[in-house]
Amino acid sequence: QVQLVESGGGVVQPGRSLRLSCATSGFIFSSLGMNWVRQAPGKGLEWVAVIWSDGSKKDYVDSVKGRFTISRDNSKNTLYLQMNSLRDEDTAVYFCASMGLDVWGQGTTVTVSS
Amino acid sequence: DIVMTQTPLSLSVTPGQPASISCKSSQSLLHRDGKTYMYWYLQKPGQSPQLLIYEVSTRFSGVPDRFSGSGSGTDFTLKISRVEAEDVGVYYCMQSLQLPVTFGPGTKVDIK
Repeated sequence: QVQLVESGGGVVQPGRSLRLSCATSGFIFSSLGMNWVRQAPGKGLEWVAVIWSDGSKKDYVDSVKGRFTISRDNSKNTLYLQMNSLRDEDTAVYFCASMGLDVWGQGTTVTVSS
Repeated sequence: DIVMTQTPLSLSVTPGQPASISCKSSQSLLHRDGKTYMYWYLQKPGQSPQLLIYEVSTRFSGVPDRFSGSGSGTDFTLKISRVEAEDVGVYYCMQSLQLPVTFGPGTKVDIK
């Protein structure tokens, strides 16, 4: 059974950093690309970033380029999202999802507030 | 970026009645590989999104056959043949033809 479990969310001040993790199981993690998608309170879904299976290629939505970094550790079956220079508008539930966006985790909440 | 629009943005349906949601993309979602990268999701209250339909019309594993998708190019439709109480939530269309992946604004479906 495929499982994606996010962690690392919390309350953080503007300008600070946070690292999210997504622990995976039930599939061969090293063979699958992965995504992060977020949802601001009461709003719709916004794709954030993608990473290829071997980490060779990454891409980001314009609003996070230069601030967020997606990475993975295939030996630990874990996906990461390093978020720097956080802004109020980064407040959201962050979901990790498989490459085909067919399997999603339950999300972790990030609140950016002073 | 490809812009996805949905109509209506909200829908109130009597159980057992059909429902239909339209999604339009700002450019064709047909790839040169012959596939059309258009998807439908349902986000039930308090849950993460769940995939219903991929590549326009293929139901994902475990999705009831009362859900169907159709369309081509830039115009797509999700139909629920007979709405059930468990179908309430927000329905999103999504394209993954090109990055960034983009979603429609969502259609909130509730039961009358």
